[in-house]
Amino acid sequence: GAGVSQSPRYKVAKRGQDVALRCDPISGHVSLFWYQQALGQGPEFLTYFQNEAQLDKSGLPSDRFFAERPEGSVSTLKIQRTQQEDSAVYLCASSFALAGGEQYFGPGTRLTVT
Amino acid sequence: QKEVEQNSGPLSVPEGAIASLNCTYSDRGSQSFFWYRQYSGKSPELIMSIYSNGDKEDGRFTAQLNKASQYVSLLIRDSQPSDSATYLCAVSYGNKLVFGAGTILRVKS
Repeated sequence: GAGVSQSPRYKVAKRGQDVALRCDPISGHVSLFWYQQALGQGPEFLTYFQNEAQLDKSGLPSDRFFAERPEGSVSTLKIQRTQQEDSAVYLCASSFALAGGEQYFGPGTRLTVT
Repeated sequence: QKEVEQNSGPLSVPEGAIASLNCTYSDRGSQSFFWYRQYSGKSPELIMSIYSNGDKEDGRFTAQLNKASQYVSLLIRDSQPSDSATYLCAVSYGNKLVFGAGTILRVKS
């Protein structure tokens, strides 16, 4: 079956622009996660949804970052007024489990802020 | 602060040898442990999960968990050049995964 999909795969934004990154999880997966991965580092947790409810947003680095999953399937991560330090790969993962289960990652969106 | 530590490597092994990758974690309450493989420019791919003490085998891969020592390892038997990648250890803390920085594995033919 289809895995997690993300779009766009690459995004170049000028400093100060707003961007929106999309994630389409595996069908039937209740849990959806966003992670940020810097070069040479492991992914770092940003936020977690269980269906449409955002249960944990403790990893969002600033109030410029906002995520939603209004119908419990597709999710969007929005970054307002992008800064150079936002340049990273943004990974979406989904899981069938409510907590602690296996997470499957999408291909990621590589964001470059110039 | 939840921490997951891995040796960054690179770990170099000859083709056909056993590669041993190690990981330690800080929180004794963790229940779920995962190994992901990440090729350069690609996203992490789940290769093993382990939830209880002992060994879990899947093909050429064996995951080992010792909760008392807060230690989890991955053994890759009969290593192949295609196994060359970064291996990420991940520990579940509540709803989220905390990752180590990864160990680079190079299998030389």
